[in-house]
Amino acid sequence: KNQVEQSPQSLIILEGKNCTLQCNYTVSPFSNLRWYKQDTGRGPVSLTIMTFSENTKSNGRYTATLDADTKQSSLHITASQLSDSASYICVVSGGGDYKLSFGAGTTVTVRA
Amino acid sequence: DGGITQSPKYLFRKEGQNVTLSCEQNLNHDAMYWYRQDPGQGLRLIYYSQIVNDFQKGDIAEGYSVSREKKESFPLTVTSAQKNPTAFYLCASTPSRWSSQGSNTEAFFGQGTRLTVV
Repeated sequence: KNQVEQSPQSLIILEGKNCTLQCNYTVSPFSNLRWYKQDTGRGPVSLTIMTFSENTKSNGRYTATLDADTKQSSLHITASQLSDSASYICVVSGGGDYKLSFGAGTTVTVRA
Repeated sequence: DGGITQSPKYLFRKEGQNVTLSCEQNLNHDAMYWYRQDPGQGLRLIYYSQIVNDFQKGDIAEGYSVSREKKESFPLTVTSAQKNPTAFYLCASTPSRWSSQGSNTEAFFGQGTRLTVV
């Protein structure tokens, strides 16, 4: 069964600090991995997309890494801002035609 | 502005009532999807459509129905057969089927509809 596990479930950080979110997956075959940011009560918005051959990709203060051998990805948030408070969802595709496997998300709270 | 629009933002359903959630996109995307989001769980696929007049069941289709009469529209009906409909519903679209797409294909999500049974 294709699964995507995210950790931690939630975290609280102070404004200006860095944090790293983890994503482990068992989806096979693997096509690509996406990180989405979802504000409370809103739809997810894409941050990064990575394929098998890509190890790292950045989008402003967000940097995603991928280790396809160990089937692990991380999302690093640098110099956090209050607006970074949201749920971050890891999404892996490749298990079939329409099959996208979603993680449950990590809820990040940034405090002033 | 191109995008995907869901309405209403909040919806209340009485026991035994059918309700319909709207999803419209002006991105000229072929494929559209409906997901359900519950607290502490990942999104789960309800239905998807790759082309007009065609749609397929996802992982949790029981108690739901859809139609795809126009490329721009993919409404979801939550029927009385759905015993636990309270959830956040998300509609998404992509240019074509996810499996046939390149690595940089963007998937757009609507802003969601929160359905509550009263």
